[in-house]
Amino acid sequence: AQSVTQLGSHVSVSEGALVLLRCNYSSSVPPYLFWYVQYPNQGLQLLLKYTSAATLVKGINGFEAEFKKSETSFHLTKPSAHMSDAAEYFCAVTAGANSKLTFGKGITLSVRP
Amino acid sequence: GAVVSQHPSWVICKSGTSVKIECRSLDFQATTMFWYRQFPKQSLMLMATSNEGSKATYEQGVEKDKFLINHASLTLSTLTVTSAHPEDSSFYICSASVGGPGETQYFGPGTRLLVL
Repeated sequence: AQSVTQLGSHVSVSEGALVLLRCNYSSSVPPYLFWYVQYPNQGLQLLLKYTSAATLVKGINGFEAEFKKSETSFHLTKPSAHMSDAAEYFCAVTAGANSKLTFGKGITLSVRP
Repeated sequence: GAVVSQHPSWVICKSGTSVKIECRSLDFQATTMFWYRQFPKQSLMLMATSNEGSKATYEQGVEKDKFLINHASLTLSTLTVTSAHPEDSSFYICSASVGGPGETQYFGPGTRLLVL
């Protein structure tokens, strides 16, 4: 079985500041890790995905995440926040033959002008 | 690419009626589709997994007779909420995948259901 922990429920940053959203996972087999973003009343949009090809994964909208096995982490970062980044962010994991995603509880990102 | 649509986006119905929600993969063939439910300010809860041409696999606690899922083709899955009650009001989201370990799930825009 696998699980994801997203500590905290809300992160607030100033426009132009670094964005760091934390995700830790647990899996007994090598995991596949995902970050999704959800805007109000919409579905989820894939930001990026780790599949073991490279530990530093670059995604859309300037986001990237680094897979650190020793820390069981897959934190999401963006060098400079934009107002349009305000949304809900979900980290998710799947592993083994099971294609089901296990989601974290999500983090709300607010961006201050 | 990898676009998933849902219809309707909003539905309001009376208690006791049935509601059908469609999920379509527009530009790829989805071997596997998933149905989720999301409550306000919460994460997604997987309801069931469906593979084309076979019966859906429901998560523990999800009533299969209440939430009927059909995955008749590689581009269409439907969720029917039978005899809906106010407690079924929620945001329902589907996702589609080509299937297999680690394959990306592409999500639809969601359907807001309100049962009066």
